Amino acid sequence: DIQMTQSPSSLSASIGDRVTITCRASQSIGSYLNWYQQKPGKAPKLLIYAASSLQSGVPSRFSGSGSGTDFTLTISSLQPEDFETYYCQQSYSTPRTFGQGTKVEIK
Amino acid sequence: EVQLVESGGGLVQPGGSLRLSCAASGFTFSTYWMHWVRQVPGKGLVWVSRMNSDGSGTNYADSVKGRFTISRDNAKNTLYLEMNSLRAEDTAVYYCAREATASRYFDYWGQGTLVTVSS
Repeated sequence: DIQMTQSPSSLSASIGDRVTITCRASQSIGSYLNWYQQKPGKAPKLLIYAASSLQSGVPSRFSGSGSGTDFTLTISSLQPEDFETYYCQQSYSTPRTFGQGTKVEIK
Repeated sequence: EVQLVESGGGLVQPGGSLRLSCAASGFTFSTYWMHWVRQVPGKGLVWVSRMNSDGSGTNYADSVKGRFTISRDNAKNTLYLEMNSLRAEDTAVYYCAREATASRYFDYWGQGTLVTVSS
């Protein structure tokens, strides 16, 4: 199974900050990397797919990059609604493993 | 509008069984792979199982293999998860999710159904 390691597990930031979350795969997954945002008590919401493609309706302050084993999710200017938990997921092979999550908190 | 609605969760004793359902609408259900993902409250997302579009292929997480069975009825637009020999560690919110065909991301999720395994 492919292991996905996210870092950091949590971070504190202020509104307007630029934030970067990293995700590393235990083996090469090409560009089969997706990012989700989850609010408490709600289902995850797709933000980025295929490493860098923005899902329809997602604000352009979200961006993704990377290929192979190393990936990043960047929020260019944090907004109040962005203080949530973020997960990466590989879709290169089954099981479709997730990272452990990164909680973005208000500083 | 694409909708996935889970049902069937509840309280069950260790060793018991439960069947979850995921009713799909707003898309051609029979053409999509479907997945189950679970989440212990306050913890991360864990992939559980998947079934391909015509029901001919399945995969399971090692933690549920031999105890859980995924199935689907394309005529009823419904995905199922039959859970047997339930353990306390199976307590979680269970989500069904649709997998987009090309890049294999999960583009739609249900609202989740809570399964609690406790005596």
